Amino acid sequence: EIVMTQSPATLSVSPGERATLSCRASQSVSSNLAWYQQKPGQAPRLLIYGASTRATGIPARFSGSGSGTEFTLTISSLQSEDFAVYYCQQYNNWVTFGQGTKLEIK
Amino acid sequence: QVQLQESGPGLVKPSQTLSLTCTVSGASISSGDNYWTWIRQPPGKGLEWIGYIYYSGTTYSIPSLKSRVTISVDTSKNQFSLKLSSVSAADTAVYYCARVATGNWFDPWGQGILVTVSS
Repeated sequence: EIVMTQSPATLSVSPGERATLSCRASQSVSSNLAWYQQKPGQAPRLLIYGASTRATGIPARFSGSGSGTEFTLTISSLQSEDFAVYYCQQYNNWVTFGQGTKLEIK
Repeated sequence: QVQLQESGPGLVKPSQTLSLTCTVSGASISSGDNYWTWIRQPPGKGLEWIGYIYYSGTTYSIPSLKSRVTISVDTSKNQFSLKLSSVSAADTAVYYCARVATGNWFDPWGQGILVTVSS
């Protein structure tokens, strides 16, 4: 099983600033990585797939990068609605999720 | 647009079988364009993939749950289902269904249904 490790567990950032979230795979997943956003009481929402392709309707302030074992989700200028939990998911070898990063208001 | 909706009992007794159904609208399971999947999330915890099914009935479930999981499909009703047997408190979770996109990411998701295992 491929283990996905996200860091940090909690990230405190002020609105308008940039947030950088990391996801590491225990072995290479190529570019077969997705990012999801989950707000309290809601289902996860797809943000990024293929490591760097934004899903339909996702604002340009969200960007993904990386390949192999190291990935990053960057939110360029945080809006109030961006404070949520973010999960990475590899789908190179079946499916596993990271444990999540909670993005909170500083 | 494609929408998914989970349904089933919100409370299941220990040792019994959890049964959930996902109804798909805006897409046809029988088209064979996608796989369909189940994911769960224990309260306050992360996401765990359970398994998936294709319109033909081909299924896969994760090894840790394989002996207790049955995923099935009813193309006539455009639904797929999850059965989890011999449940315990550890199976208490919000259960989500989702469409598996072409590259195996999940989009969209249903709203989720909380299933509590308790006597």
